[in-house]
Amino acid sequence: NAGVTQTPKFQVLKTGQSMTLQCAQDMNHNSMYWYRQDPGMGLRLIYYSASEGTTDKGEVPNGYNVSRLNKREFSLRLESAAPSQTSVYFCASGTSLEQFFGPGTRLTVL
Amino acid sequence: GQQLNQSPQSMFIQEGEDVSMNCTSSSIFNTWLWYKQDPGEGPVLLIALYKAGELTSNGRLTAQFGITRKDSFLNISASIPSDVGIYFCAGMNYGGSQGNLIFGKGTKLSVKP
Repeated sequence: NAGVTQTPKFQVLKTGQSMTLQCAQDMNHNSMYWYRQDPGMGLRLIYYSASEGTTDKGEVPNGYNVSRLNKREFSLRLESAAPSQTSVYFCASGTSLEQFFGPGTRLTVL
Repeated sequence: GQQLNQSPQSMFIQEGEDVSMNCTSSSIFNTWLWYKQDPGEGPVLLIALYKAGELTSNGRLTAQFGITRKDSFLNISASIPSDVGIYFCAGMNYGGSQGNLIFGKGTKLSVKP
């Protein structure tokens, strides 16, 4: 039982490049989430998916897109990376009562 | 939007001391969660609180859901070196199937052996 897994662990991009962060969960949760964590800022919600086939914007959605591929997988895409998107990205899955987090992807945009 | 004020921002304590941190909000939450994050890792859920006034323990950790539903605190008794990390509070309002979390900015705990 792996919980929430994320790939890649680390990534360096040049400004303007695109990439997709992958997330998968094996806890049969309906809801999945993408957060970013910046120093001194806590975690901020980018997008979430309350169920397969639905996605909604969170607090900081600009510059990102998401896809809920199936119940297990929720990907985050940066179409044209900017230095302001340098951050640690966490995927989470959960219920209406709890959320469980993956190990994170550390992204640097030069 | 909703904001959580978490204090203190950081703590430096001696091993064996007790620790207390708290979180306050300008609005009501239905659920309070406390997470711990180790360096280079994702947050790990420590305690979940679902009812106003609820007091819950998990080993040396004790957390309470404030009566007003606008605050919560976390206590750690007899701290040990492995307690080092960043502790986050998070409030959740569940409506439908959303359950979105609002996070505090964290309390960084350092423990001196």
